[in-house]
Amino acid sequence: SQQGEEDPQALSIQEGENATMNCSYKTSINNLQWYRQNSGRGLVHLILIRSNEREKHSGRLRVTLDTSKKSSSLLITASRAADTASYFCATDANTGTASKLTFGTGTRLQVTL
Amino acid sequence: GAVVSQHPSWVICKSGTSVKIECRSLDFQATTMFWYRQFPKQSLMLMATSNEGSKATYEQGVEKDKFLINHASLTLSTLTVTSAHPEDSSFYICSARGAGVGTDTQYFGPGTRLTVL
Repeated sequence: SQQGEEDPQALSIQEGENATMNCSYKTSINNLQWYRQNSGRGLVHLILIRSNEREKHSGRLRVTLDTSKKSSSLLITASRAADTASYFCATDANTGTASKLTFGTGTRLQVTL
Repeated sequence: GAVVSQHPSWVICKSGTSVKIECRSLDFQATTMFWYRQFPKQSLMLMATSNEGSKATYEQGVEKDKFLINHASLTLSTLTVTSAHPEDSSFYICSARGAGVGTDTQYFGPGTRLTVL
């Protein structure tokens, strides 16, 4: 399987703490994207980082990419209860005429008050 | 902008019947649409990729005769689950990629929960 691995599988923190999720993948990529999914809902696109970028910020989100290690991390600072969701990384490998996303296994984040 | 809708949001059907799920891009032209399946507490698995006006490309292990995909226009793709069985019960999510909305980004629909009795 080409699916990426994420760790931890589940993470429980208190409001105000930072949450870090890691993603490892197997193939060369054009870009890596992070998505959030609330229970039973669709996906919300959070951030995209290209293969020639090493770090990117968006609000309380910070994403890093290490292509030599084929890994990425998502940091959510000052977490809020509303951040409770599953977070997925997805790699875009552009292996042919149509690039497609391969999703990681996901991290379930629980933020408690 | 870049909104994708799905209809229905949930459906319950009897075993052996067929179910059609629609995916629409509301404010952009979707040159490529993707269909994913997600089982409870698992990740999204790509089922097929469809380009407007051409046949869908199915991922390995996905039966094209069971999961019929039609992408007849730049704003609509449909997935028909034929002769559905309980093991087809899942969350089906479509996404779309198109011109003018960032070709690197896929925009996801809210999903359709299919329950086959």
